[in-house]
Amino acid sequence: EAGVTQFPSHSVIEKGQTVTLRCDPISGHDNLYWYRRVMGKEIKFLLHFVKESKQDESGMPNNRFLAERTGGTYSTLKVQPAELEDSGVYFCASSLSGGFSYNEQFFGPGTRLTVL
Amino acid sequence: SQQGEEDPQALSIQEGENATMNCSYKTSINNLQWYRQNSGRGLVHLILIRSNEREKHSGRLRVTLDTSKKSSSLLITASRAADTASYFCATDASAGNNRKLIWGLGTSLAVNP
Repeated sequence: EAGVTQFPSHSVIEKGQTVTLRCDPISGHDNLYWYRRVMGKEIKFLLHFVKESKQDESGMPNNRFLAERTGGTYSTLKVQPAELEDSGVYFCASSLSGGFSYNEQFFGPGTRLTVL
Repeated sequence: SQQGEEDPQALSIQEGENATMNCSYKTSINNLQWYRQNSGRGLVHLILIRSNEREKHSGRLRVTLDTSKKSSSLLITASRAADTASYFCATDASAGNNRKLIWGLGTSLAVNP
């Protein structure tokens, strides 16, 4: 069974440009999470989808970030316009639905974004 | 502010030795998890310990949890060169169906052959 995949693996863009990151969760996983790790800092939660609905987007830095999950399958995270401080590694994770019980989050390899 | 803080930030040991990493956190939790990240790869879930558990084992891994001190430790016994990676603790303090994880900075472990 394929794991969580992310595309692209690396992206280098100029400040002010737009970048779209994609995450394909494990098939059948209703929960999809985005996290980000900025160099030298901890991994931070960005948002959580349950199917196509945003369950929690409290970690989104600002309105330059837009996440979508149309149809409840893959998700995209668009940064427009990108700023230098957006550089980092963006991780996606997915898990089964489980109500109030814990379900392991499976992580993708991440997308390394560099904004010049 | 971050929830988890690991120490040490970097650890270098010889193959066969044990490696101990610690994690402290700030709020009440449902569970605490340890992850490993090899260079350029994704985060791999290692072990989860629930708030009502004190110790858990998985192969060469041993995790302890002290909720009174809000701390956890990860012990890797008989380390191997392949254990070289970054190790992160993450806490689940969520309510309801939102299981977002709060992470520490990580410990970079180097196991020298």
